[in-house]
Amino acid sequence: DSGVTQTPKHLITATGQRVTLRCSPRSGDLSVYWYQQSLDQGLQFLIQYYNGEERAKGNILERFSAQQFPDLHSELNLSSLELGDSALYFCASTQRPAGSLNGYTFGSGTRLTVV
Amino acid sequence: GQQLNQSPQSMFIQEGEDVSMNCTSSSIFNTWLWYKQDPGEGPVLLIALYKAGELTSNGRLTAQFGITRKDSFLNISASIPSDVGIYFCAGQNYGGSQGNLIFGKGTKLSVKP
Repeated sequence: DSGVTQTPKHLITATGQRVTLRCSPRSGDLSVYWYQQSLDQGLQFLIQYYNGEERAKGNILERFSAQQFPDLHSELNLSSLELGDSALYFCASTQRPAGSLNGYTFGSGTRLTVV
Repeated sequence: GQQLNQSPQSMFIQEGEDVSMNCTSSSIFNTWLWYKQDPGEGPVLLIALYKAGELTSNGRLTAQFGITRKDSFLNISASIPSDVGIYFCAGQNYGGSQGNLIFGKGTKLSVKP
């Protein structure tokens, strides 16, 4: 157990729908990162939050949004879902805002399937 | 988005063989990391490298941070079946304005007993 908790583990939904993925960072970590892992694209950085504020943005679509709450858990909202959004979504956390000398601690991911 | 060039894409080897994979980037990084991902799990850190030219070992794993800061390699010696998985390199500019990790596309390792 890495200490980073992601729910749900699996999600199957229809095109056009909206889903919310949840992440609780490791205890003591203030920064949360979201990554998308598609079959042929590797791990793509989506967005980072630090202590409730957005800190960095990667290739996140306008249909996607995220937030980090006062208790430091984070949610990734995906709307108007398309088939191509099917992927594994990972959350990772670090203590500091600018990465970590020991890399990130990743959760086990949420597998999203859009049908 | 920005990604590292990782090769090879996949490897099929016999148990006991040594493995080598590498990663290159057009940008420099101040930290290189190697992760392993098992099926259905998130990536787990294997080795972190902090200094250009640094060579670091973790058991049967050895990794080097290239002198130019634009490349890294990972070697696995005497492979065993549990080495099966996907290995990712990642570059980071720790302490910079953006500390997010940039990943390679991964090397899928299969080990035949």
